[in-house]
Amino acid sequence: EVQLVESGGGLVQPGGSLRLSCAASGFTFSGYGMHWVRQAPGKGLVWVSLINNDGNYKIYADSVKGRFTISRDNAKNTLYLQINSLRGEDTARYYCARKGIANALDIWGQGTMVTVSS
Amino acid sequence: EIVLTQSPGTLSLSPGERATLSCRASQSVSSSNLAWYQQKPGQAPRLLIYGASSRATAIPDRFNGSGSGTDFTLIISRLEPEDFAVYYCQQHGSAPRTFGQGTKVEIK
Repeated sequence: EVQLVESGGGLVQPGGSLRLSCAASGFTFSGYGMHWVRQAPGKGLVWVSLINNDGNYKIYADSVKGRFTISRDNAKNTLYLQINSLRGEDTARYYCARKGIANALDIWGQGTMVTVSS
Repeated sequence: EIVLTQSPGTLSLSPGERATLSCRASQSVSSSNLAWYQQKPGQAPRLLIYGASSRATAIPDRFNGSGSGTDFTLIISRLEPEDFAVYYCQQHGSAPRTFGQGTKVEIK
C-alpha cells in the first residue's frame, strides 16, 4: 500500500524549533519529488515547500523562506521539514504529499499538528 | 505569484443536484498544471482531477474538470452524500505553488 506517515509535531514555544518527518512506503521514494503543505485550524491549504527526487532542487513559500528547510534521506525513505523561529501563525497541520501523476499531489499523509504557543 | 480565486465560497445544494465550482487564476496557467482536490472534515486532501480534466484513480465519472488559461471549472453532475466537502484548485507549474481558498459544498 502506498503510504505517507508524518510525525514530529507538537506544542512548541514561539521562537522554538521542530523537525517534522514523513515516512514513505509502498513506492520508490527516490523517484518522486515531495511537497509540504500546511493548514491552519479552520483555514485552507497553503503550499509550503517542494524538493525534487534527489534533493538538489528546493523551493519555498515566501512566508517560510529562511526559517524552514526541506530535506530528504532516500536511503531511509523519509522526507523532513526543519522549522525554526516558530511563530503563532505557523500553527497548523502539516501534510507531506507526493509529486506524482502529471506533477499533481497524488498521495497525501494524514498530517502532523504543530502548535506554537507560550 | 499566481493567485487562484475560487467561487462561490459556499455552495448549498441538495443530493442529486449539479454543482459548478469555479477557479480563476491571476495569470495564465497551463492546463497540465491545474489540479482539484477534495477534503472532508478530519481527513487529508485527496486528488480528484489533474491536468485540468483528467480524473485521478478511482474518482467517479460524475466529477468533471475543464477550462484553460485563467478559467477552470469543476462540475459534480449529481451530488452524492459523500461529495459534501471542501474543494480546492491548485496550480503546480509556477513557483510558488498555490492553492485557491476553497469552495465548501454543503447540504441544503
